[in-house]
Amino acid sequence: LAKTTQPISMDSYEGQEVNITCSHNNIATNDYITWYQQFPSQGPRFIIQGYKTKVTNEVASLFIPADRKSSTLSLPRVSLSDTAVYYCLFSGSARQLTFGSGTQLTVLP
Amino acid sequence: GAGVSQSPRYKVAKRGQDVALRCDPISGHVSLFWYQQALGQGPEFLTYFQNEAQLDKSGLPSDRFFAERPEGSVSTLKIQRTQQEDSAVYLCASSLGRGRDRGHNEQFFGPGTRLTVL
Repeated sequence: LAKTTQPISMDSYEGQEVNITCSHNNIATNDYITWYQQFPSQGPRFIIQGYKTKVTNEVASLFIPADRKSSTLSLPRVSLSDTAVYYCLFSGSARQLTFGSGTQLTVLP
Repeated sequence: GAGVSQSPRYKVAKRGQDVALRCDPISGHVSLFWYQQALGQGPEFLTYFQNEAQLDKSGLPSDRFFAERPEGSVSTLKIQRTQQEDSAVYLCASSLGRGRDRGHNEQFFGPGTRLTVL
C-alpha cells in the first residue's frame, strides 16, 4: 500500500501559520491527497483534499508541487483548538483510507 | 441524526467474551468502513461494505472478527473470544461512495467505541 511520511510532532504558538509537509514518493496517478484531523476521543475529520497545485477552503490550504511527491497542509493563524493529530493520506481507487502515524500538532498560548 | 453514531462508546470485556459494536451511518451513505485504532497509532482498515455487500474484509485480523450490514444501513462488528490484543478504539465511517472513484469521497467518522479487554 502507498506510504506517506510526515513529522511525528510539531509545536506552534497561537496566531502563527503552521505548515505540515508530507512526502509520498509512490503516489499513483489516480490518487488524491487528503488530510484528516483527529482530536482525542473523536474520529478523524476531513480537512481538505487536492490533486495538484493549490486548494483552499475555509480552514486550510493544500499545496501540491508538480511532481506530486509531497504536499503541504497550511493552517493560517492557529488557535489552541487546532491542537490535534493531522494525517496525510492517499485516497484513490482503493476504497479504504491508509493512515500513517500522523503529526501531533501542539499549539501553545 | 446528522452524523455517524456508534454504541457503546466504551466496552470492557473479560478475555474470552464475545462483544458486538454497533454503527449507525449517515442516512443515504452507500459505503461503510470499520477501522481499528491502537493507542498512539493511526486507524487501520478492517472491512468495507457497499450497501449490504461486504466487498473487502482483508483487514480483519482473525476469524474471530465478523462484520455485517444486513439491510445496507446499520452495521455490527462482532468480536468472538476477545483477547487482550483486541483492546483498541473501533471506528466506523461512512461515505456517499458512489462511482468508480469512490476513494475520493470524504469519509465521515463516528466517535468510536473504546474496547478494553481484561
